[in-house]
Order: sequence, then C-alpha cells, then structure tokens
Amino acid sequence: DAKTTQPPSMDCAEGRAANLPCNHSTISGNEYVYWYRQIHSQGPQYIIHGLKNNETNEMASLIITEDRKSSTLILPHATLRDTAVYYCILLISNFGNEKLTFGTGTRLTIIP
Amino acid sequence: GAVVSQHPSRVICKSGTSVKIECRSLDFQATTMFWYRQFPKQSLMLMATSNEGSKATYEQGVEKDKFLINHASLTLSTLTVTSAHPEDSSFYICSATPGGTGVGTDTQYFGPGTRLTVL
Repeated sequence: DAKTTQPPSMDCAEGRAANLPCNHSTISGNEYVYWYRQIHSQGPQYIIHGLKNNETNEMASLIITEDRKSSTLILPHATLRDTAVYYCILLISNFGNEKLTFGTGTRLTIIP
Repeated sequence: GAVVSQHPSRVICKSGTSVKIECRSLDFQATTMFWYRQFPKQSLMLMATSNEGSKATYEQGVEKDKFLINHASLTLSTLTVTSAHPEDSSFYICSATPGGTGVGTDTQYFGPGTRLTVL
C-alpha cells in the first residue's frame, strides 16, 4: 500500500474547524482514503473514508484533491472530546480482508 | 451499529501464565478479525488476521505458538497469550470487518482494547 504523510501535531481552538492534512502522492487508483482517530487508551474509531469524491457524515468531511494525491479531514466545530491522534490510511478494497497499516498520525489538541 | 467489544478490558497476571482475550462483534457478522498490539507512545502494529473457520495469518516476527488465535464463529475471536512474560505487557486491540461485497464491507471497527500487565 502507498504511504501517507501527516504533520505530527496540530492545535485547534475549541469551536473552530479543525483541518487535518494528509499527503499520499503515490496513491493507486483502487486505494481508498480512510481516517481513524484514537483517543487516549481507547481503540481506534472509524471516522470516514472516500475514493474520489468528497464525503461528509455526522462526524466529519473528507476533501480529496482531484489528482487524489492529498486529502483533508475537516472537523467542522471542534470540541475538547476531539483531542486524539488522527490516522490517515490507504486501503485497497478486498472484501474486508485488507489490513490497515497505521503510521504515526497527527496528534490534534483542542484548546479551550 | 458496528460495535465491537473486548473482554477483559484490563488484566494483570503473573509471569508464565496464559491469558485469553475475547473479541466480539455485537451487531454484525465478522468474516475477518484483526489483532493489533500497541506499546506506550507507539502506533498500532498488526499481529495477525483471522478468518472464521480457518487458521490465522500472522505478521512477520509474531510467534504463532505464543499468540494463539481462534476465530470459531462469525462473531467471536480469541487471542491467547501463552506463557506471558513482562515484555508481553501491552495494549491489545481487535477489529472486525463485515466483509462481503456491500458498501462499507472493508471498514474495520475496533474494540476498546485490553490492557495486559505481566508481573
């Protein structure tokens, strides 16, 4: 799987939008972009994923550039509970058998 | 939906004993389950992939005789750490995927993790 690059840490003020970037310049055409987050001492939580189009759900929005070489996860109104490590991961669809490879992620701190 | 549970959440054991950790998908059938390990201040590392009714596939460097995985049903997988030693102390996390060909079948849903401390 192609690798991703994320900033090691970011701060965001509570109530503001948190924009987390991810570079994946060697992404393959059949690789999805997945985002997970891990709050301290908990299992990772699925946030959102996409292939080409921008996606939105109740948690976040995912913006994927037209060339698919980068993406941005947007938390529209960050709260203190959004403080976590966020992982951007590429995954080839394989009917549920494909493993996730976690990098170091971005440690997002929401500041009151 | 898509809830995965683990039991126990925390376990302390003596060196040399075996510990079993259960992973259950509560509201879906999981064709594939994954086991990860996470040491302090490090990222998750995949240990093995298990499919219901077949032997688990272990990642390089993971001892299959030490970390026994059983995926006996579509909702339950177990990880047994045999003859545990202090260096096995870690945070063990499982995940499960619905599998198949429908939307979201590749999404892995994670359990809350099990903190193992070997004295």
